[in-house]
Amino acid sequence: AQTVTQSQPEMSVQEAETVTLSCTYDTSESDYYLFWYKQPPSRQMILVIRQEAYKQQNATENRFSVNFQKAAKSFSLKISDSQLGDAAMYFCAYRSGVTGNQFYFGTGTSLTVIP
Amino acid sequence: DSGVTQTPKHLITATGQRVTLRCSPRSGDLSVYWYQQSLDQGLQFLIQYYNGEERAKGNILERFSAQQFPDLHSELNLSSLELGDSALYFCASSPLNTEAFFGQGTRLTVV
Repeated sequence: AQTVTQSQPEMSVQEAETVTLSCTYDTSESDYYLFWYKQPPSRQMILVIRQEAYKQQNATENRFSVNFQKAAKSFSLKISDSQLGDAAMYFCAYRSGVTGNQFYFGTGTSLTVIP
Repeated sequence: DSGVTQTPKHLITATGQRVTLRCSPRSGDLSVYWYQQSLDQGLQFLIQYYNGEERAKGNILERFSAQQFPDLHSELNLSSLELGDSALYFCASSPLNTEAFFGQGTRLTVV
């Protein structure tokens, strides 16, 4: 089974600064999708960004961008100009493009934004 | 609004009881997933259905069961409830090969 590892249980960032959350995954597949989800205190799961493995260009959504290193099986999330509303738990997730079955989630990184 | 509807939002019940959680996926999504999230924990995958058939099973207890109906809504049945079953239960739906859309969850408290 695929595994997703988030090695940073907690991170903090000063408001308006930049922070990078790390994620690595293990797979033998070449066709897959990677995601970052945000879970604020309300505990709603919100999609932040998506990356298709076949795309070489890193995905960007406003202040959120990823650094996708396919050979290294690394998928980090960069949050620029951090805002208080970015404080949340962030989960990295993997989905096979072959079987399209379950999503594999990392254990999460709790991000604190310091005013 | 993700388009995924879960009911009820909150549920308080006693140990030994049985409850049913309901999920209506986004229109057109054939896949439904159930996840359990205990306090300050990650997401534990329970089970996936695709167009009415079980597609993948995770660490789902034998006391738990699920099904997906012809109209694609799904139900998660939890029986012989224990204190440790208290958690947030998420349903998510997804079209093929894209992201999962999560409902707001059902917060189950077993007392």
